[in-house]
Order: sequence, then C-alpha cells, then structure tokens
Amino acid sequence: QSVLTQPPSVSAAPGQKVTISCSGSSSNIGNNYVSWYQQLPGTAPRLLIYDNSKRPSGIPDRFSGSKSGTSATLGITGLQTGDEADYYCGTWDSSLSTFVFGTGTRVTVL
Amino acid sequence: EAQLEESGGGLVQPGGSLRLSCAASGFTFSSYAMHWVRQAPGKGLEYVSSISGNGGSTYYANSVKGRFTISRDNSKNTLYLQMGSLRGEDTAVYYCARPITFGGITAHMDVWGKGTTVTVSS
Repeated sequence: QSVLTQPPSVSAAPGQKVTISCSGSSSNIGNNYVSWYQQLPGTAPRLLIYDNSKRPSGIPDRFSGSKSGTSATLGITGLQTGDEADYYCGTWDSSLSTFVFGTGTRVTVL
Repeated sequence: EAQLEESGGGLVQPGGSLRLSCAASGFTFSSYAMHWVRQAPGKGLEYVSSISGNGGSTYYANSVKGRFTISRDNSKNTLYLQMGSLRGEDTAVYYCARPITFGGITAHMDVWGKGTTVTVSS
C-alpha cells in the first residue's frame, strides 16, 4: 500500500492536456522534493521531472511539474500517442526513511 | 553517458536463491549510492534495497529484510543483490537505479537499467 496516491488512469485526445495528481503527507511530499517517472510499455522507468519542476536534458517542455503543500502535479500538454505510458511520482518519506513511489497512473491517448 | 545493465534473472523454485548483478559504466560508480527497485507483473514500482557509495551502509524494505543482501564491488563497477528464501511474491522485474542524494536522502533516480526478470515458481 503506497503512501502516495495517484489516479489509476487519465485520458485525452491528441493535442489536449492532461494532469496527474500525486497526494501525500507532510512526511513525504510536504517536506521533500518530488520526482516523476515515465514508463513506456515494456520499458524501464525514465526520469521525467525532478526537484518538483525541473526537467532533465532531452525532456520536452510539454512536460511540467508543480508542488503545493502535500500534493504534486504532472502536466502534459500537446498530448501525443507516444505519451501513452504509466507515470509514477516519487519522493523521500522522512517517517519511513525510504524513497516511496506513487500508485501509478496510466495515460491513454484517445 | 551513464549506463546500467542488470543480469542474473531467471526461473527459480520457491525457497531458492539467485544473485543479480548490475554493471555500471560512464560515471564514477564509487561516488554514488545505488538502489534496487522491483516491479511485479502488472503492479507499480517498489523500492527494495540501497547501498552507500563505499558499501558501508545498507537499507532493505521490510518485504525482503533478512532474505536479500545488497553489496557492491567498486573495483568492478558492479552492484549485486543476493536473493534467498525466494517466494512467489518476489516475482518481478528488478531494476538497478542511480540515485541523486542529499544528506543521505534520495531526491530522485536519474539513471535506470533495463531490468532483469525473476520468476519464482515450481
């Protein structure tokens, strides 16, 4: 049972925008950096967003991250079929003294 | 370019053992802590174990504590996960990942291997 809750799925048409929420608590999101990972079908996770809102080199600016209080949000604009994947948030949990991942969200492009 | 490549997965009977390896290249391996993360079929990501850069500090998830041992050989740029008393619920793809840490806290994982599959079944 993950301490970070994400919606199981979100969907939108090509070119549209989707947002994925990640809800936690003061022991994790509230006091630590949030990162986001993209997992395309059959592949390993890839870092998408780190330190709440920064993008690694090579990640397009269609992907954005934000954090407010004990929740974080991943946004994807200009949705493409290649964005169909599972997305996970992650952060350190100071109470558990471990890194925790969210429950994961599947993005479907209609 | 930093890269990680896992190996050693396979089919093992319940109660059996297996050793996974993760070969690192393209970065100063000894300067980084390393993690193992697993993903059961159709499930999410689970943080399994970690080890400090010099190998002196380790962490295990409760689900594997006492059964798995993480280690590293910095002279070979290789991370290991010795898995014992394996159970069906250990069936998963096992990934090694490089964390970016601050004061011992993992901020994020920026390099991932492609994973190796472990299947525990009779």
